[in-house]
Amino acid sequence: NAGVTQTPKFQVLKTGQSMTLQCAQDMNHNSMYWYRQDPGMGLRLIYYSASEGTTDKGEVPNGYNVSRLNKREFSLRLESAAPSQTSVYFCASSEAGILAYHTGELFFGEGSRLTVL
Amino acid sequence: GEDVEQSLFLSVREGDSSVINCTYTDSSSTYLYWYKQEPGAGLQLLTYIFSNMDMKQDQRLTVLLNKKDKHLSLRIADTQTGDSAIYFCADLSNDMRFGAGTRLTVKP
Repeated sequence: NAGVTQTPKFQVLKTGQSMTLQCAQDMNHNSMYWYRQDPGMGLRLIYYSASEGTTDKGEVPNGYNVSRLNKREFSLRLESAAPSQTSVYFCASSEAGILAYHTGELFFGEGSRLTVL
Repeated sequence: GEDVEQSLFLSVREGDSSVINCTYTDSSSTYLYWYKQEPGAGLQLLTYIFSNMDMKQDQRLTVLLNKKDKHLSLRIADTQTGDSAIYFCADLSNDMRFGAGTRLTVKP
């Protein structure tokens, strides 16, 4: 009963370092998403993938890249981390595609807490 | 762009009712969701409402939707300490937008 699994759960980086957050879902969902959560700002969409092989920018894509490796996996990469990217990152998935007007319920991972010094 | 707004904090006594409010700006929104986040965890779906409904009730939860005012509320009856969490309003119709979250504190 894994659902959406994110790794790592915690990471500390120095400014300028790079890292990749991994996400995998076992529900055969079409769409996957990366959000960041900051105090007082809720969740903001970074990138999403409506289906395998496609990715699109969300509200706050600058400084990030993504890869939809296959239907199960969607990774988020920080090429040169900055202190402004200190946040909690959530991966989510949904059965319906984001372009299907109604995505249906989003299923979330437990989050990855990233600190950039 | 379109937005979803909610107040950041709410404190109630155990046994009271809690009402968490949310406003949205996208008039074409059709599916509005409430999620709950417990400390250190991801978000879990509580309930959702479709725009052709004014009210939806599920055990202790009541969702009210006023489309004219673009206002959504979540009422939790007989609030318990286990209901302490952050509650997010979300518009998953178009832009996949979440509100900032309302931190509900339940005092014994």
